[in-house]
Amino acid sequence: NAGVTQTPKFQVLKTGQSMTLQCAQDMNHNSMYWYRQDPGMGLRLIYYSASEGTTDKGEVPNGYNVSRLNKREFSLRLESAAPSQTSVYFCASSESKGRGRNEQYFGPGTRLTVT
Amino acid sequence: DAKTTQPNSMESNEEEPVHLPCNHSTISGTDYIHWYRQLPSQGPEYVIHGLTSNVNNRMASLAIAEDRKSSTLILHRATLRDAAVYYCILRVNAGNNRKLIWGLGTSLAVNP
Repeated sequence: NAGVTQTPKFQVLKTGQSMTLQCAQDMNHNSMYWYRQDPGMGLRLIYYSASEGTTDKGEVPNGYNVSRLNKREFSLRLESAAPSQTSVYFCASSESKGRGRNEQYFGPGTRLTVT
Repeated sequence: DAKTTQPNSMESNEEEPVHLPCNHSTISGTDYIHWYRQLPSQGPEYVIHGLTSNVNNRMASLAIAEDRKSSTLILHRATLRDAAVYYCILRVNAGNNRKLIWGLGTSLAVNP
């Protein structure tokens, strides 16, 4: 049981390049999330998917797109990377058991640098 | 959205109890209080959550004030492995939109 896995662990991009961050979970969770974490700031939600086939914007969606490929996988795409997108990206999943519960399980993160 | 306020940093000695405070004065009646922690170079990890009553689990205890405007995470015996950033988070319920509102957290140092 690997939990939440993310690839790659590290990536360096030049401004304007595109890339996709991959995330997969093996816990049969309904909901999945993408966050970014910047120094001196808390985690900020980029996009989330409450269930397979649905996606919604979070707090900072500009410059990103997502795909909920199936129940296991949720990818984050940067179409044209900018230095402001240098950050650590975390994927998370949760079972959505009902009101109040819904603890999230996080992956190890992807450290992205855009030069 | 309601926000949380925590001290930037705290220090404890190994095997002593640690009380990590959190203020959430603008919490609404349906917001749950969650605590997560993040060890260096790792993703956040769920610790505990509650609504009104105090809660205990194998990792920690959560004491919630009667007016719900503050809460305290209690680690009963700190170990070196508990050195991490602890986040007090509100889980906002707005219809089908349940989301976690993250603050800056408290960096806990544990001295041997």
